[in-house]
Amino acid sequence: EVQLVESGGGLIQPGGSLRLSCAASGFTVSNNYMGWVRQAPGKGLEWVSIIYSGGNTYYADSVKGRFTISRDNSKNTLYLQMNSLRDEDTAFYYCSRGGPTGGEAGYWGQGTLVTVSS
Amino acid sequence: EFVLTQSPATLSLSPGETATLSCRASRSVTRYVAWYQQKPGQAPRLLIYDASNRATGIPARFSGSGSGTDFTLTISSLEPEDFAVYYCQQRSNWPFTFGGGTKVEIK
Repeated sequence: EVQLVESGGGLIQPGGSLRLSCAASGFTVSNNYMGWVRQAPGKGLEWVSIIYSGGNTYYADSVKGRFTISRDNSKNTLYLQMNSLRDEDTAFYYCSRGGPTGGEAGYWGQGTLVTVSS
Repeated sequence: EFVLTQSPATLSLSPGETATLSCRASRSVTRYVAWYQQKPGQAPRLLIYDASNRATGIPARFSGSGSGTDFTLTISSLEPEDFAVYYCQQRSNWPFTFGGGTKVEIK
């Protein structure tokens, strides 16, 4: 059974850093498209970043240069390093695994809340 | 960036009725559109990928159609558990983008 469990969210001051983790089970992270999707409270969905099985990474313009997606194959875990956090980064962050074609989110974690506030 | 516009914003229907949700892209995304369902306090769930393919375990009352810039999600004979928010998403070009969502509420 595919499972994704996020951790690492919390309250952080503007300008601070956080690292989100997504522990995967039931499949191999390095063999799949993996990504992070966020949702500000009461708002819509925004695709933040994706890492392909070959290692190529892509970022939304809103986080480029501040966020870094990575994976640890030995731990079967996906990460999102978030630096220089801003108020507008406040959101639930969902870890996702690619679906049948890879370009859609076929599996989701339960989400972790990041709150950026002074 | 490809912009997806969903309409209507809210759809008020009764159980047993048919819901027709629209998603329009600012440029052609061929057939690279997915649909998701999200209930309060839950992560989204993939329903449809590549415009018309149902994801694993999705009931046959959910169907998708369209190509180019115009896409439709149809939910036939609404069940009580179908009242939720629905999002479309394109994977034609990065950044992948979502529509703003359509809320299907009980009339």
